[in-house]
Amino acid sequence: DTGVSQNPRHKITKRGQNVTFRCDPISEHNRLYWYRQTLGQGPEFLTYFQNEAQLEKSRLLSDRFSAERPKGSFSTLEIQRTEQGDSAMYLCASSPPGTGNGYTFGSGTRLTVV
Amino acid sequence: DAKTTQPTSMDCAEGRAANLPCNHSTISGNEYVYWYRQIHSQGPQYIIHGLKNNETNEMASLIITEDRKSSTLILPHATLRDTAVYYCIATAARGTSYGKLTFGQGTILTVHP
Repeated sequence: DTGVSQNPRHKITKRGQNVTFRCDPISEHNRLYWYRQTLGQGPEFLTYFQNEAQLEKSRLLSDRFSAERPKGSFSTLEIQRTEQGDSAMYLCASSPPGTGNGYTFGSGTRLTVV
Repeated sequence: DAKTTQPTSMDCAEGRAANLPCNHSTISGNEYVYWYRQIHSQGPQYIIHGLKNNETNEMASLIITEDRKSSTLILPHATLRDTAVYYCIATAARGTSYGKLTFGQGTILTVHP
C-alpha cells in the first residue's frame, strides 16, 4: 500500500482553462475527502464521499467545481474556467470504515493559475 | 467542530520533550480531539486522537484533561524532523459534521539542534 496518491503534483494553467485532478485513496478506505489549502492557512474542507456517494459539499465549492467518485475508488476534482483565486494546494484524504479513524492525506496537487 | 486555540509558535531543543497545548473549552461530549501535523510542502499527517482517556502511540502521547476542555500533545524526544505545523482539531465522529475537519492556524513547532 503506497498511501493516498494524487496526480499531478503540480499544474500550471492559464486563466479560463479547465483542470482536472485525480486522487487514488488507500484501497480499503471507503471515505474520501477533498481539501484546499492556500499559503499560510490551514486546509479548508471542500467535499466528502462515502463510497460513490457525495455526502457533503462546502460553500467553497462553487458551480465551477465538480467532484466525482464514480466507482467508489478513485476520485476526480475538476475546476472549470479557472481563476487566479483558485491557485492553491488541493489535498485529498481517505479514511477506513468506522468511527473516529484518522485520515491519510496525499501530498496534494499544487495549482497555479496565471 | 468545536473551536480550538493553540499558540502560534513554539521552540524545542532536539532530544527534549515537546509539549503542545490546545484549548477546546466548548467541546461537545461526542467530539474527539485529533492532532495532525504538516511538514512543509506535504499533506497533513495524522498523529493521534482521543475522546476522554489519555492515548499513546509510536509517534506521541495525548493528554486530555478530565473536563476535556484542553489537551496536550507530547512528542517525547523531539528531532529536527518534527519541525512542522501542528493542528489540534475537535470534531464529531458521527453525524452531519463527520468528515469535515476544521483546521485552524495551528502551532509552528521549531526543533533546534
